[in-house]
Amino acid sequence: ETGVTQTPRHLVMGMTNKKSLKCEQHLGHNAMYWYKQSAKKPLELMFVYSLEERVENNSVPSRFSPECPNSSHLFLHLHTLQPEDSALYLCASSPVIGNTEAFFGQGTRLTVV
Amino acid sequence: DQQVKQNSPSLSVQEGRISILNCDYTNSMFDYFLWYKKYPAEGPTFLISISSIKDKNEDGRFTVFLNKSAKHLSLHIVPSQPGDSAVYFCAAKTGANNLFFGTGTRLTVIP
Repeated sequence: ETGVTQTPRHLVMGMTNKKSLKCEQHLGHNAMYWYKQSAKKPLELMFVYSLEERVENNSVPSRFSPECPNSSHLFLHLHTLQPEDSALYLCASSPVIGNTEAFFGQGTRLTVV
Repeated sequence: DQQVKQNSPSLSVQEGRISILNCDYTNSMFDYFLWYKKYPAEGPTFLISISSIKDKNEDGRFTVFLNKSAKHLSLHIVPSQPGDSAVYFCAAKTGANNLFFGTGTRLTVIP
């Protein structure tokens, strides 16, 4: 099993849909992250969870709603997205929050139509 | 405003030669720098890092150089191999805070 697994790998959704992205890590890490990578832009940190508690929300619109039911799982619930939200969404984990070497999942390529 | 910049979107190098990937940053409080490598359809993977108290860190074919006065970071790959073809991201952080990434440089190593 890979360390950090994201599903689905690809997702196309309409602006009125509700969908969820899932991330699972098998590394025993305590911190998990959601990043967004838009075309020609750097990875942008969206949310940080430490021991299932959200510790950072980088001014992300409320149409993105994270959930961390336990330290191994992280979800990103999506509703009423805009076409400009189309991007690669990457999940990462690290042993503790702020640890330098984050391990990334393969990402979910999201297209909003 | 981007705090970490990779001004070269792409780089092509002949197999066996040196690849040099550059990164500039604006925040003088950054104290740890990392390079990540990303293959298509995969997430970024950690490659090498350097603390701000050092100016060089070497790991096999990969060496990272840090010039704090110039706020410049570079990754040298010698000798370059076709399997090194990927997108390379520079990242930086302060203390226990989170990583700031550059936009990446796509390296192509030509056999």
